[in-house]
Order: sequence, then C-alpha cells, then structure tokens
Amino acid sequence: DAKTTQPPSMDCAEGRAANLPCNHSTISGNEYVYWYRQIHSQGPQYIIHGLKNNETNEMASLIITEDRKSSTLILPHATLRDTAVYYCIVGYGNNRLAFGKGNQVVVIP
Amino acid sequence: DAMVIQNPRYQVTQFGKPVTLSCSQTLNHNVMYWYQQKSSQAPKLLFHYYDKDFNNEADTPDNFQSRRPNTSFCFLDIRSPGLGDAAMYLCATSRLWTGISNEKLFFGSGTQLSVL
Repeated sequence: DAKTTQPPSMDCAEGRAANLPCNHSTISGNEYVYWYRQIHSQGPQYIIHGLKNNETNEMASLIITEDRKSSTLILPHATLRDTAVYYCIVGYGNNRLAFGKGNQVVVIP
Repeated sequence: DAMVIQNPRYQVTQFGKPVTLSCSQTLNHNVMYWYQQKSSQAPKLLFHYYDKDFNNEADTPDNFQSRRPNTSFCFLDIRSPGLGDAAMYLCATSRLWTGISNEKLFFGSGTQLSVL
C-alpha cells in the first residue's frame, strides 16, 4: 500500500507562496495523488489531485516529479484562512484513500 | 448548498447507550464512507459501501455497524459506546472508487460525538 510522508508542521508568511512537500515513493503507476485540507473542527476539503501531469485550479497548483515519488502543493498567495492541516493522500488496496498524519500549516501575518 | 449532510453536528451519549449517526447525500454517488477522527489525529476509515456492498476495514471494532437503506442515506451505529469512541465521525462520498480513478471524496461537516 502506498504511503505518504509530510513534515508535521510549517509556517508561511501571509501573501507569499506556500510550498508543501510530500513524499510517496511507493506509489503505483495508476494511483492518483490527492491533496485535502482540514480547518479545525470541519470536514476535510478537497484541494486538487493529479496522476502524472502538473495541475492547477483556483485554489492551488500541484507539481508532481517525473518519477512520481514526490509532489509539492503550491498555495500561490497564502492567506490567514489557509491555516489548516494539509493531507497528501494516495490510494491503497481496494481503491480506498487513507489519510496520513498531515502537515499543520500556519499562515503568519 | 450542502451536498453531504451529517446530523446532528454534536451528539452526546452515555457510556454503553447505543447511538446512531446519520449521513445523507444529494450527489447520487455510489460510494459512501465513514471515517473516525480522534483529537489531533488523522481520519481513519471504518468502512464503506459501494452501492449495497458493504466493506469493513479489518481493524474496525465489532461495536461499529453501518446501514445503507438507499443511495442517499447511510447510518453509523455504535452499539455500546465507550469513552474511547469519543471522536469526530466523518461521512464522505465518491461517484466511483477513488485512488486509481479520477474521482474525489466529498466530505460532510462531521458529527462530534461525546461519551459521558
């Protein structure tokens, strides 16, 4: 089963780009990488996902390395509302998604 | 408009008293999931339904049961809640299987369960 590794926490400055790393060295060729975030006491919120190509939407950009063993979520202009736990997730057996410990991101004014 | 709705938002029960948490969805998705999230921990998958097919995680205690009477509704039953079952319970849906498909999970706001 594929697993992910993220730093437990990080700070970033308001208005600056936030780069959130994730390692998934055991990912299978057909497994997607998903990013979710969870603001305190709320359900997780979908951010973005991708397979091989870099992806961008209104919330963030996802950069996946060519060997697919790691990825970076980029929040282009971090705001205080982006303070949350960010989860990098890949699938595991029988097509379920399992959450790792996540990265507590704090945006500092 | 809420697409995955969990009621109630907060639930208090007594030790050993059965409790049911509910989830409904307006997305007409095939798959519904229940996750348990204890304080400062990541969500942990308990079980899920693909249509009417029930799939239990190997380490989900027998104390936890689920029902899915139709596409829109799914229930989590805790037969004899213990103090260790106090947690946020999250319901999620997906149109098809996630992981190796271009599908994503949609989460409800969760039900915070307290056991006294």
